[in-house]
Amino acid sequence: AQSVSQHNHHVILSEAASLELGCNYSYGGTVNLFWYVQYPGQHLQLLLKYFSGDPLVKGIKGFEAEFIKSKFSFNLRKPSVQWSDTAEYFCAVINTNAGKSTFGDGTTLTVKP
Amino acid sequence: DGGITQSPKYLFRKEGQNVTLSCEQNLNHDAMYWYRQDPGQGLRLIYYSQIVNDFQKGDIAEGYSVSREKKESFPLTVTSAQKNPTAFYLCASSPGRVSPEETQYFGPGTRLLVL
Repeated sequence: AQSVSQHNHHVILSEAASLELGCNYSYGGTVNLFWYVQYPGQHLQLLLKYFSGDPLVKGIKGFEAEFIKSKFSFNLRKPSVQWSDTAEYFCAVINTNAGKSTFGDGTTLTVKP
Repeated sequence: DGGITQSPKYLFRKEGQNVTLSCEQNLNHDAMYWYRQDPGQGLRLIYYSQIVNDFQKGDIAEGYSVSREKKESFPLTVTSAQKNPTAFYLCASSPGRVSPEETQYFGPGTRLLVL
């Protein structure tokens, strides 16, 4: 069975602080990896994704994530957060064989101005 | 204007009643998904469909049913067998496995409340 684990449920940072949100998955086969973000009152939207190639992927708004296959991890990073980054962040995998998706429990990020 | 629409925005269910949540997409996507979102539990997959007339159970399918008779539509029925249906329901679609890009696009959601 595939699963996704996000290590932090709620993170509180001051503006300009660096961010790293942990994500680990379990699945023996090939997966595509995603981070989605849900800003207050808005739809879930894609932040970034990895499906092949360079394991360091860059997304919108200065976010990046690194796929480390040996660790089954896909951690999200941003060097300097802004108040507008306050949102809920979800890590997700899709198993490329069956097309089944699994999301983590989400991490709520609060950035203090 | 392309996208995913879900209706209604709010839905009330009485005990023992079946209710159907609508999800329509005009993105010409092959794959569609239904999730349930509860506080602190992220998104849990209820059912998914990779192609018309085919669908698979997700992680929490009990008490739910779906159909996929048309490419653009993937309605979800919450049956009376679902003992804790109060939740926020999200529908999503993606190009599917025929495309290397499987980004899911989400609708605005339906909040279901039990009276």
